[in-house]
Amino acid sequence: GQGVEQPAKLMSVEGTFARVNCTYSTSGFNGLSWYQQREGQAPVFLSYVVLDGLKDSGHFSTFLSRSNGYSYLLLTELQIKDSASYLCAVRSNYNVLYFGSGTKLTVEP
Amino acid sequence: NAGVIQTPRHKVTGKGQEATLWCEPISGHSAVFWYRQTIVQGLEFLTYFRNQAPIDDSGMPKERFSAQMPNQSHSTLKIQSTQPQDSAVYLCASSLDSNSDYTFGSGTRLLVI
Repeated sequence: GQGVEQPAKLMSVEGTFARVNCTYSTSGFNGLSWYQQREGQAPVFLSYVVLDGLKDSGHFSTFLSRSNGYSYLLLTELQIKDSASYLCAVRSNYNVLYFGSGTKLTVEP
Repeated sequence: NAGVIQTPRHKVTGKGQEATLWCEPISGHSAVFWYRQTIVQGLEFLTYFRNQAPIDDSGMPKERFSAQMPNQSHSTLKIQSTQPQDSAVYLCASSLDSNSDYTFGSGTRLLVI
């Protein structure tokens, strides 16, 4: 099975940054994806990583360490509208995404 | 491109009744996935079709849940004898192929009373 763990909540301040952590233990690994989900809306794809290291995509960056079963999503220059839930998902060898429970990020003024 | 379309948006059923949920994937997408989302469990995988063929239904409760994809333009999730614990948001997603990211529909919010 796939165990994907995320902290339930995270708070940060507008203009600063937030790091959303994700740890996983899997029976197969074919990459890791991050999705953003606003209240009452569908999850929206943000990023996919399969190689170790940092993938810089501007406002969102993603880090992966396969040996440690660890990833994070880094949001920089936070805006109030970044307040949302962020979902980490591990892609199995059969290309099914297994999601964590999500981290609810609150960005305060 | 209208995205992934799910109907109905909301459904209320009485305990013991049947509920059928519909999903229209993005045209040209070969993979269709069904998930269930609750506050307690988060997003749980239910089942997956590729080119209309069932590939993995390991997440489906076996007794009352079933899913079909009779053609490339729609899939259905049927829940028989609904129970209050089936109350959740049911999300359908499609992807261009098995290696691509998912596009989710807006979901069907099912309430069993």
